[in-house]
Amino acid sequence: GQNIDQPTEMTATEGAIVQINCTYQTSGFNGLFWYQQHAGEAPTFLSYNVLDGLEEKGRFSSFLSRSKGYSYLLLKELQMKDSASYLCAVAGNNRKLIWGLGTSLAVNP
Amino acid sequence: GAGVSQTPSNKVTEKGKYVELRCDPISGHTALYWYRQSLGQGPEFLIYFQGTGAADDSGLPNDRFFAVRPEGSVSTLKIQRTERGDSAVYLCASSRQANTEAFFGQGTRLTVV
Repeated sequence: GQNIDQPTEMTATEGAIVQINCTYQTSGFNGLFWYQQHAGEAPTFLSYNVLDGLEEKGRFSSFLSRSKGYSYLLLKELQMKDSASYLCAVAGNNRKLIWGLGTSLAVNP
Repeated sequence: GAGVSQTPSNKVTEKGKYVELRCDPISGHTALYWYRQSLGQGPEFLIYFQGTGAADDSGLPNDRFFAVRPEGSVSTLKIQRTERGDSAVYLCASSRQANTEAFFGQGTRLTVV
């Protein structure tokens, strides 16, 4: 079957660094996406990885290991506004996105 | 347009009624997706259009759900004989091509009473 696993909830402190992990088992692989979703809002795109390695974009970085079926999203210098749900999604054989349930991140002062 | 537009933003309907939800994607985006999302869950795939054709409709839960995109731009999701379990936020997303960054609309919150 196809499966995306990520932690349900995480808590971190303002200014700190947090890593959100995602493991996947899918039929085929055509890239992994991370999206941010604030409560009551639509998901917004954060990153896309299709090759192994680290992609850095400002305070956010995303890492992929295809052989391990593993990715992480790294958030640095956390701000209160980073409190949101972070969704991992994998594009499978037919390029349809398979979504995880999301990790709810709470940033505390 | 500047972004993906979905109308209405909220829809309350009685059980058994028919509803239509509209999605206006970003101009030039050939790929269009419909998802629905319940509280605390990730988006659940419904259907994916590439141009005018439904490339993958395997996520439609049953034959009460149908979607069209007749001119390869605006799409309409149609739900017949609505049930309380259909209550959710229905999200539409578009991307320039399949497997590239998808942009989401704000969603339509459907409540079936």
